[in-house]
Amino acid sequence: QVTLRESGPALVKATQTLTLTCAFSGFSLSTREMCVSWIRQAPGKALEWLALIDWDDDKYYSTSLKTRLTISKDTSKNQVVLTMTNMDPVDTATYYCARMVSCYGDFGRRIDSWGQGTLVTVSS
Amino acid sequence: QSALTQPRSVSGSPGQSVSISCTGTSGDVGGYRYVSWYQQHPGKAPKLMIYDVSERPSGVPDRFSGSKSGNTASLTISGLQPEDEADYFCCSYAGRYTWVFGGGTKLTVL
Repeated sequence: QVTLRESGPALVKATQTLTLTCAFSGFSLSTREMCVSWIRQAPGKALEWLALIDWDDDKYYSTSLKTRLTISKDTSKNQVVLTMTNMDPVDTATYYCARMVSCYGDFGRRIDSWGQGTLVTVSS
Repeated sequence: QSALTQPRSVSGSPGQSVSISCTGTSGDVGGYRYVSWYQQHPGKAPKLMIYDVSERPSGVPDRFSGSKSGNTASLTISGLQPEDEADYFCCSYAGRYTWVFGGGTKLTVL
């Protein structure tokens, strides 16, 4: 059974750096074509894809946020970490991590498992 | 990337069919087969319902189907059931290893 769980501070101050951890089980991020993504959803807004890391440690970021994001993994601990610098109140959102399979395949590229999400509020 | 456009809400009575649209551009929905749909009940993690435009993961009822025409993908739910009441959102590959989501649609079963 695949599970993912996000953890991190519920409240951060503007200009601070946010660090979120995704602890997962039921799969290995060293398996070919396996990836983990971070996605967020601000209150009343659309989901927004943030970043992806693959089994080979390649990393991809949202064009609009790439200067503020860093994604990394610790395969031995089954964890993926996302850092976001220079937080702003507009970054208040629920942050999700999710497993993606067949990340670069001709067929079946999809997020098939999500965490429950963690709400991060940014105070001014 | 701009969010994909979905209706804010749709509704239907039990047994009826409803469709939810997801409109993007030739750079995302129209350009790739990698469109997926997710169902989310309040307080729960999203659940994959459709991928590759029209493929159903095992365990998803065949009442759920997907299609695409041009830059618009659609999720159709036939034989509506009360448990189908949830938020639904679409997702599309947008090239250069990036992804884009829709704004979400609230389905109400009357």
